[in-house]
Amino acid sequence: EVQLVESGGGLIQPGGSRRLSCAASGFTVSSNYMSWVRQAPGKGLEWVSVIYTGGTTIYADPVKGRFTISRDNSKNTVHLQMDSLRAEDTAVYYCAREGLSSGWPSPYIDHWGQGILVTVSS
Amino acid sequence: QSALTQPASVSGSPGQSITISCTGTSSDVGDYDLVSWYQQHPGKAPKLMIYDVTNRPSGVSNRFSGSKSGNTASLTISGLQAEDEADYYCFSYTSRSIRIFGGGTKLTVL
Repeated sequence: EVQLVESGGGLIQPGGSRRLSCAASGFTVSSNYMSWVRQAPGKGLEWVSVIYTGGTTIYADPVKGRFTISRDNSKNTVHLQMDSLRAEDTAVYYCAREGLSSGWPSPYIDHWGQGILVTVSS
Repeated sequence: QSALTQPASVSGSPGQSITISCTGTSSDVGDYDLVSWYQQHPGKAPKLMIYDVTNRPSGVSNRFSGSKSGNTASLTISGLQAEDEADYYCFSYTSRSIRIFGGGTKLTVL
């Protein structure tokens, strides 16, 4: 059974940093594209970043240059390093696995973590 | 890149059919058959309902179907049931390799 469990959330001051982790089980994180998606309180879903199987990383414009996605194959874990945090980064952050179509990676999300709250406030 | 455009809300009575639209551009929805749809109940993680425009994952009711015409994708729910009441989001790949969500649609079952 595929499971994704996020950790590392909490209250952070503006300008601060935090690293989120996503521990995966039931599959190998290096075999799928892995994304982070966030949802501000009472708002819609916002895609944040993806790491490809080959290691290529892509970011949404609002976080580019401040967030870094990475993968630790030995621990089957994906991370999101968040720097220079702003109030508008306050959200529930979901770790997400992208799916496969005919055996090839396809940009849809077939499994989600339960989400973890990050609050940026003084 | 702006979010895809969805109606803020739709409603229907049990047994009826409803359609939720998702309008993008020729750089996303119009250029790739890579639109997916997600259902989200309050306080829960989203759930995949449709991928690659028309494909339904195993376990998802065949009352859910997807389509696309030009820059607009659509999700149709037939035989509406009370448990279908939720927020629905479309999601698309784009020419810049980033992904974007629609703004979300709140479905109310009357």
